[in-house]
Amino acid sequence: NAGVTQTPKFRVLKTGQSMTLLCAQDMNHEYMYWYRQDPGMGLRLIHYSVGEGTTAKGEVPDGYNVSRLKKQNFLLGLESAAPSQTSVYFCASSYSMGLAGENEQFFGPGTRLTVL
Amino acid sequence: GQQVMQIPQYQHVQEGEDFTTYCNSSTTLSNIQWYKQRPGGHPVFLIQLVKSGEVKKQKRLTFQFGEAKKNSSLHITATQTTDVGTYFCAGKHDTDKLIFGTGTRLQVFP
Repeated sequence: NAGVTQTPKFRVLKTGQSMTLLCAQDMNHEYMYWYRQDPGMGLRLIHYSVGEGTTAKGEVPDGYNVSRLKKQNFLLGLESAAPSQTSVYFCASSYSMGLAGENEQFFGPGTRLTVL
Repeated sequence: GQQVMQIPQYQHVQEGEDFTTYCNSSTTLSNIQWYKQRPGGHPVFLIQLVKSGEVKKQKRLTFQFGEAKKNSSLHITATQTTDVGTYFCAGKHDTDKLIFGTGTRLQVFP
């Protein structure tokens, strides 16, 4: 199993450009998440999905959109990139979100995005 | 908003010394998870604590969940160079989302 994969690994954008980050998981997980990681800020949740066809806002959703057309894929879009969106983006997935076991999150390798 | 604070932000230790990182929430947590991120890598799940006062051990790592379920700690005994990385706690409040702490970066000098 590949686990959670992300493409691309690196990207440089100019202000105002758009792009889509792709996350794929092969663990049949219902739940998927997009985080951004900035120095000293930890991981902040952008958007998440509790199943195919559903999405919800996290802590920092502004400037991003997401789609979950297929259970295994979760796309993160930036319609008009800004320098403040320079960050490392991590996708994660989990089997559940409850209190019981199997709600650990599996992370992808990350995408390093620079917006000039 | 709901926050999970983590201290210290950085810790440098000599190999063989102990290390502790602390996680605090202003509100009661349903559960707490701990993750480790190696330099240049991605977060990897270590453990989850659910019960008040719970203590779990993984070899040299000891995890505690406070009695009031508002704080947690990770203690590493006799650190090794392989322990280098950033340790994050992540707490779940009454909503269904994890809130990650800011992390503690551990550097171990041989």
